[in-house]
Amino acid sequence: EAGVTQSPRYAVLQEGQAVSFWCDPISGHDTLYWYQQPRDQGPQLLVYFRDEAVIDNSQLPSDRFSAVRPKGTNSTLKIQSAKQGDTATYLCASSRDRGHERLFFGHGTKLSVL
Amino acid sequence: QQQVRQSSQSLTVWEGETAILNCSYENSAFDYFPWYQQFPGEGPALLIAIRSVSDKKEDGRFTIFFNKREKNLSLHIKDSQPGDSATYFCAASASSGSWQLIFGSGTQLTVMP
Repeated sequence: EAGVTQSPRYAVLQEGQAVSFWCDPISGHDTLYWYQQPRDQGPQLLVYFRDEAVIDNSQLPSDRFSAVRPKGTNSTLKIQSAKQGDTATYLCASSRDRGHERLFFGHGTKLSVL
Repeated sequence: QQQVRQSSQSLTVWEGETAILNCSYENSAFDYFPWYQQFPGEGPALLIAIRSVSDKKEDGRFTIFFNKREKNLSLHIKDSQPGDSATYFCAASASSGSWQLIFGSGTQLTVMP
């Protein structure tokens, strides 16, 4: 079974630039999550989907961040105008159980905003 | 406000010893507590989990001890191996209300050969 695939692995930006992260979840997993993990901290939920519907995006900075999952499979997280404080690893995870008991994480995209 | 707290940022043990990683939480509604293991350059992976109706969960060398009254839990890694060197995250979620898996800040475990 292929794992969660994310790209790119690394991104380096200047402040104000835009960036998109892409995620391919495990086949058959209807729930997809985006987490932000600052250096030396635990992951923090940004948004999660069930199929194509956003279930909770209350932690997503809506003025600059957006996330979509149009066909209920792959997903894209976009930062419109990056800030230095956005420097972190962005993790995508998927789950097939509605109880969220086991999340499968990808390797993440390490973002540096200079 | 840190809802899930891991008291040690780092822990070093010798090979063969038992590593004990501690975690505490604030929200009484939390009823599911997974521990995730993360190696450098990888995403976290579920290691073991416990529900609040139990006070102990064992899986091979890994055991969770849970104290609902004190709102704390610990992960014991018996016969630690150098390959166990990783960051361990305690997490918590509630089955009622708005779901969110809250992670602690992690404990970096180093097992010396």
